[in-house]
Amino acid sequence: QEMLVESGGGVVQPGRSLTLSCAASGFIFGGYAIHWVRQVPGKGLEWVAAISYDGHKTYYADSVKGRFTISRDNSKNILYLHMSRLRVDDTAVYFCARDPFNDYGAGSWFDPWGQGTLVTVSS
Amino acid sequence: DFHLTQSPSSLSASVGDRVTITCRASENINLYLNWYQQKAGKAPKVVIYNASTLRSGVPSRFSGSGSGTEFTLTISALQAEDFATYYCQESSSSPRLLFGGGTRVDMK
Repeated sequence: QEMLVESGGGVVQPGRSLTLSCAASGFIFGGYAIHWVRQVPGKGLEWVAAISYDGHKTYYADSVKGRFTISRDNSKNILYLHMSRLRVDDTAVYFCARDPFNDYGAGSWFDPWGQGTLVTVSS
Repeated sequence: DFHLTQSPSSLSASVGDRVTITCRASENINLYLNWYQQKAGKAPKVVIYNASTLRSGVPSRFSGSGSGTEFTLTISALQAEDFATYYCQESSSSPRLLFGGGTRVDMK
């Protein structure tokens, strides 16, 4: 069964940092691009970042560019999202999701998704 | 600026009803439009990708159509398990990737 499981969420103060993890199983992790997507509770979905199958290419939404870093360890089947200079408006459930291709580009979609991990930025 | 507009934002329907949700793009996105279903407290699940391809395992009552700037998700005969929020998503131009605002389908 193809699965993604996020972890690392919690409560953090504005300006601080937090790193999320996404553990993959049931498929060849190193063969696919992977994304982070977030959702403010009760609101819509926002794409955050993507990384190519080999980690050589990364892509970010303007709202997180320069503050968030996506990375992956294909030897451990784990995706990361390092979030720095966190803001109150970064509060959301963060999902990782697999792309059908090995790089993010035209035609990307998401399947499967993890269950999400909640990040709350509050003083 | 590119816009992806989903309508309606909510609708009420009964089991057996035909339901149609529309997603409009502000510029041509060819067939790069996907549809997701999300139930409360759960992750989204893809139902249609590339405008009209039914994801394996998704019931055939779901269908997608459209190209260019106007797209439609149709549920031919709504079932109880279909009450959820539906999102469209485009990916025509990396690094841009946008979701529509969502359509909540609830019971009349």
